[in-house]
Amino acid sequence: QVQLVESGGGVVQPGGSLRLSCAASGFTFSSYGMHWVRQAPGKGLEWVAFIRYDGSNKYYADSVKGRFTISRDNSKNTLYLQMNSLRAEDTAVYYCAKDPGPKAFDYWGQGTLVTVSS
Amino acid sequence: SYVLTQPPSVSVAPGQTARITCGGNNIGSKSVHWYQQKPGQAPVLVVYDDSDRPSGIPERFSGSNSGNTATLTISRVEAGDEADYYCQVWDSSSDHPGVFGGGTKLTVL
Repeated sequence: QVQLVESGGGVVQPGGSLRLSCAASGFTFSSYGMHWVRQAPGKGLEWVAFIRYDGSNKYYADSVKGRFTISRDNSKNTLYLQMNSLRAEDTAVYYCAKDPGPKAFDYWGQGTLVTVSS
Repeated sequence: SYVLTQPPSVSVAPGQTARITCGGNNIGSKSVHWYQQKPGQAPVLVVYDDSDRPSGIPERFSGSNSGNTATLTISRVEAGDEADYYCQVWDSSSDHPGVFGGGTKLTVL
């Protein structure tokens, strides 16, 4: 069965960096696009970034462009999100999600909490 | 950037039909996806491509999309359907194409 497991969350000071990972199993990881989606405490869902199955195309939300970088290692079945210059408003649960094709999200991880605070 | 508008809340009695709308400029020309999220859990895809259901999603969940409004319809509502529901599109004309609606809290009375 499809499984997505995020890790790497934690508490970081404003201006700091963090790298999230998402370990995928149960499907051919190298054949699917992948997304990061976040949810601030008590708020709605916000799409963060997308990477094509082969890493050739990447898209970012305006709120993170220039600060966050999405990447993948298909040999390790792992998705990454490098987050730099973190701000308080980046505090959220970060989910990785698989894209079945029509730019939707058919499987989600359990999420990892990132807290940006001094 | 593209904006999706949902009502903050919808209430319905058990056994009745709930309709949750998602408004957007000419949204009928886009594929709309719907997610259910219960407290403390990750979202679950319940409808994709306007009206298709993933395997395991009850037939009570259906969707439609035309003009400026997409609608998620939940028939014969059960207590277990109480959750937040989000619509989502991919705006391929944008540099930041992923878009979610603000979410609708479905309350089962």
